[in-house]
Amino acid sequence: ELKVEQNPLFLSMQEGKNYTIYCNYSTTSDRLYWYRQDPGKSLESLFVLLSNGAVKQEGRLMASLDTKARLSTLHITAAVHDLSATYFCAVVISGSARQLTFGSGTQLTVLP
Amino acid sequence: ETGVTQSPTHLIKTRGQQVTLRCSSQSGHNTVSWYQQALGQGPQFIFQYYREEENGRGNFPPRFSGLQFPNYSSELNVNALELDDSALYLCASREGGQETQYFGPGTRLLVL
Repeated sequence: ELKVEQNPLFLSMQEGKNYTIYCNYSTTSDRLYWYRQDPGKSLESLFVLLSNGAVKQEGRLMASLDTKARLSTLHITAAVHDLSATYFCAVVISGSARQLTFGSGTQLTVLP
Repeated sequence: ETGVTQSPTHLIKTRGQQVTLRCSSQSGHNTVSWYQQALGQGPQFIFQYYREEENGRGNFPPRFSGLQFPNYSSELNVNALELDDSALYLCASREGGQETQYFGPGTRLLVL
């Protein structure tokens, strides 16, 4: 059974600081997704990482994937309040029909 | 906006009743998945349909069933509702061969 673990589960940070969210998964996968969810809202796709060593950046967010370590990171640079949300990573089991297994989420609060 | 719509937005049912939730995907999105998200947790995969056939199912009992229609709409049916079925139900669609899944706004179901 595929397990996806995120840490930390809760993150409170000051504006302007940097931090990293970690996503570990338990079995072979070559596809990893990052989503953002605002309170009471649906999921917004942030990144799709498709190969070992993949790195993608959008604004203050950068995601990377190490399939050998079964680890993805979401790095936040110079956080701003608008980044406050819950961030989920999701993994697809190799050979499956792209059904996503999600982590528990990291609730990020950026303080002024 | 993802182009994926769901109805209704909110629903209250009592234990033992049946419910049908609806999802309308973008034209060309021939794959639709349904997820259940309990409060404070990550979404859990229920099942996936591709060209009107179920081609993947998560760890949910048979009282959760679905349909996909040729016009890119789909349904999630839940029979014999239980209190634990209270959750946000999300549908996600994608175009065949594409990686990104687009989530709808969700239906929040409360079972009393």
